[in-house]
Amino acid sequence: DAGITQSPRHKVTETGTPVTLRCHQTENHRYMYWYRQDPGHGLRLIHYSYGVKDTDKGEVSDGYSVSRSKTEDFLLTLESATSSQTSVYFCAISAPLGGQGYGYTFGSGTRLTVV
Amino acid sequence: SQKIEQNSEALNIQEGKTATLTCNYTNYSPAYLQWYRQDPGRGPVFLLLIRENEKEKRKERLKVTFDTTLKQSLFHITASQPADSATYLCALVPRNAGNMLTFGGGTRLMVKP
Repeated sequence: DAGITQSPRHKVTETGTPVTLRCHQTENHRYMYWYRQDPGHGLRLIHYSYGVKDTDKGEVSDGYSVSRSKTEDFLLTLESATSSQTSVYFCAISAPLGGQGYGYTFGSGTRLTVV
Repeated sequence: SQKIEQNSEALNIQEGKTATLTCNYTNYSPAYLQWYRQDPGRGPVFLLLIRENEKEKRKERLKVTFDTTLKQSLFHITASQPADSATYLCALVPRNAGNMLTFGGGTRLMVKP
């Protein structure tokens, strides 16, 4: 998707290992988000950022940490991966819609499998 | 508890017909509601936004209605095409939540030729 890229696209990791997912935007937007998407649960917010070094927890933040040292990069870290963290992870940015509120632009996702 | 509910069963319709998808919410007071399209293996794509003081919004073959009394939004695709087959997600922003979106589980639409 234009302006936002996630890496890696796919990753398989072992239980107990740390994993970092990267989100990079070229749009210079202030707000960035990490969601996970699971069957039966839809998209759930993990963490979000409202500026450099400004982050906050979402609905399902346990076991995850984030960092934002530059406007363009938002990193999601699984400190010690567990099988319950097997999921598809999406990064998103929000952009104004010309006075009509904000719409999200999503990355293409990272499929993470914890074995 | 707060819920955003979309029909988890796939909606199958014939090409050319109007598809209508439903989004119901409980214990939210949304400032606005959005609809997204998601194709397999891809991230959701923004389609439409409707504010709490708007009853209806249109964009080409898409129409969204928003009834804050019924706590429901309907998403219509007229003259549906096989290319419209995808999962459609509704999402809302509660008042005083900035621009934080909460998503429903999505409904898969299959348009048959």
